[in-house]
Amino acid sequence: EAGVTQSPRYAVLQEGQAVSFWCDPISGHDTLYWYQQPRDQGPQLLVYFRDEAVIDNSQLPSDRFSAVRPKGTNSTLKIQSAKQGDTATYLCASSWWGTNTGQLYFGEGSKLTVL
Amino acid sequence: QEKVQQSPESLIVPEGAMSSLNCTFSNSASQSIWWYQQHPGKGPEALISIFSNGNKKEGRLTVYLNRASLHVSLHIRDSQPSDSAVYLCAVRSHNVLYFGSGTKLTVEP
Repeated sequence: EAGVTQSPRYAVLQEGQAVSFWCDPISGHDTLYWYQQPRDQGPQLLVYFRDEAVIDNSQLPSDRFSAVRPKGTNSTLKIQSAKQGDTATYLCASSWWGTNTGQLYFGEGSKLTVL
Repeated sequence: QEKVQQSPESLIVPEGAMSSLNCTFSNSASQSIWWYQQHPGKGPEALISIFSNGNKKEGRLTVYLNRASLHVSLHIRDSQPSDSAVYLCAVRSHNVLYFGSGTKLTVEP
């Protein structure tokens, strides 16, 4: 079974540039999460979806961040006008909404460096 | 939003020793508690979870949960150099996992 796939693995930007990260969840998983993990910190929730619906986007840092999941499968996280403080690894995770265990399955992440 | 604190920040143990990691959380009504392992440049991988008070053992791993004291611990018996990684404690609440900052474990040969 294929795991969660993310691309690109790395991105280096100048301040003010935009970047998009793409995530393909495990087949059949209806719930998809985006987390931000700054260096030497734990993952912090940004947004999550059930199918194509946004369940909670209240932790998106600002209106520079947006996320969509139009068909309830793949998802894109976009950062506009990036700032040095956005430097972090962006992790995508997926699961089933009704899972009893609550286990999330993570991709390898997209590491963003903003110069 | 759940608050999750982990200690120590880093831990160095010799090969074959017991590694003990601690985690406190803010809400006794939290659902399951998870421990994840993260190697450099990789995403977190689930190791073990617990829901009820008491302990749970899987292989070399044992986890203890005390909801009254809002404390959970992970113990790795016979630690190996391949266990060297960051260990993340996560608390599930309303379909979301909230993570601590992690404990960096180094097992020296």
